[in-house]
Amino acid sequence: EVQLVESGGGLVQPGGSLRLSCAASGFTFSSYAMTWVRQAPGKGLEWVSAISGSGGSIYYADSVKGRFTISRDNSKNTLSLQMNSLRAEDTAAYYCAKDMYSSADDAFDMWGQGTMVTVSA
Amino acid sequence: QSVLTQPPSVSGAPGQRVTISCTGSSSNIGAGYDVHWYQQLPGTAPKLLIYGNYNRPSGVPDRFSGSKSGTSASLAITGLQSEDEADYYCQSYDSSLRGVIFGGGTKLTVL
Repeated sequence: EVQLVESGGGLVQPGGSLRLSCAASGFTFSSYAMTWVRQAPGKGLEWVSAISGSGGSIYYADSVKGRFTISRDNSKNTLSLQMNSLRAEDTAAYYCAKDMYSSADDAFDMWGQGTMVTVSA
Repeated sequence: QSVLTQPPSVSGAPGQRVTISCTGSSSNIGAGYDVHWYQQLPGTAPKLLIYGNYNRPSGVPDRFSGSKSGTSASLAITGLQSEDEADYYCQSYDSSLRGVIFGGGTKLTVL
């Protein structure tokens, strides 16, 4: 069974840092690009960042560029998101998602349950 | 303001048909990029409903169908059921923004 399990969310002060992880199982992790999507409370979905299967190609939304870093460890089937200089507007549920195929207009065919990040003093 | 425009809400009675539109532009849907649809039930993660404009993943009922024309796409749901009450999102790619884009979401209410 394909499964994605996020962890690492919590309450952090503005300007602080947090590292999210996503443990993948049930598929050949290194063969698929992976993506982070977030959803602010009561709001819609926002794409955050993506990384290719090899880790050689990385993409960020303008809203997080320079502050967030996506990475993956294919030996441990783990996706990570290092979030620095956090702002109140980064408060959201963060989902990791598996890309269906490796193209720019990819669909996300599996999602984790999400981990909540709250940025507040 | 989302790059892909969806109606904030739609509603229908059980058994009826509803459609949800997703309007983009020449840098996303109109450029030929695929449109995908997700269903998000209250308090849960999104679930892929339609991929590649009109394809259904295994397990998705054929009551759900997708279409695309020009700079727009649509999701149609026939034979509405109470369990279809959820938020629905369209998704594509924008070449100007160089990133994945989502519609603002549509809340479906089954009357």
